[in-house]
Amino acid sequence: GEDVEQSLFLSVREGDSSVINCTYTDSSSTYLYWYKQEPGAGLQLLTYIFSNMDMKQDQRLTVLLNKKDKHLSLRIADTQTGDSAIYFCADPRGQGNFNKFYFGSGTKLNVKP
Amino acid sequence: DTGVSQNPRHKITKRGQNVTFRCDPISEHNRLYWYRQTLGQGPEFLTYFQNEAQLEKSRLLSDRFSAERPKGSFSTLEIQRTEQGDSAMYLCASSLYRYPYEQYFGPGTRLTVT
Repeated sequence: GEDVEQSLFLSVREGDSSVINCTYTDSSSTYLYWYKQEPGAGLQLLTYIFSNMDMKQDQRLTVLLNKKDKHLSLRIADTQTGDSAIYFCADPRGQGNFNKFYFGSGTKLNVKP
Repeated sequence: DTGVSQNPRHKITKRGQNVTFRCDPISEHNRLYWYRQTLGQGPEFLTYFQNEAQLEKSRLLSDRFSAERPKGSFSTLEIQRTEQGDSAMYLCASSLYRYPYEQYFGPGTRLTVT
């Protein structure tokens, strides 16, 4: 959706790190979010980052934010087969920034045993 | 807290029929959102409510679509005279009206129009 870009596929081996990238366009975004979607299911909120932060770590997840380049990444350490899913970044828009989320097309992560 | 629930989970209907979906948000959440997701795409915003007021509608929401949230709790999304292009997953989300405004999604209703 509206200029939130993600690469479509990523394949890693179990135990490796995964890095999923996202570029967004709204420079006024106050928060940015990462979601995970398993087949046939809704979206599960993984984490979010406030725009005045460069990095946020949450257990195996590390979010990096480069506001100058409008680039967001999600690193998953020690990737497991259960991490296989589609990952979406979300960029909030609208008055006050939070009326609606724009999502990328998602990155499908395949974890090989 | 039982999370966001949606019913039905699956709906198959013939073209031209009307369908209605229901969403029950997390109980204390005053914001409720509807999105549509087609295969291989991310969710696209349709509309949102703050309490019972519908504050924004996407241009994707044609005149055949109507959403309500009569008492500021559950919401319904109705599609009249369904078309094959309406086939999609319809997702509902809810949030509090405060930072960080994170949205929690339900499992979705998959609509198939034959």
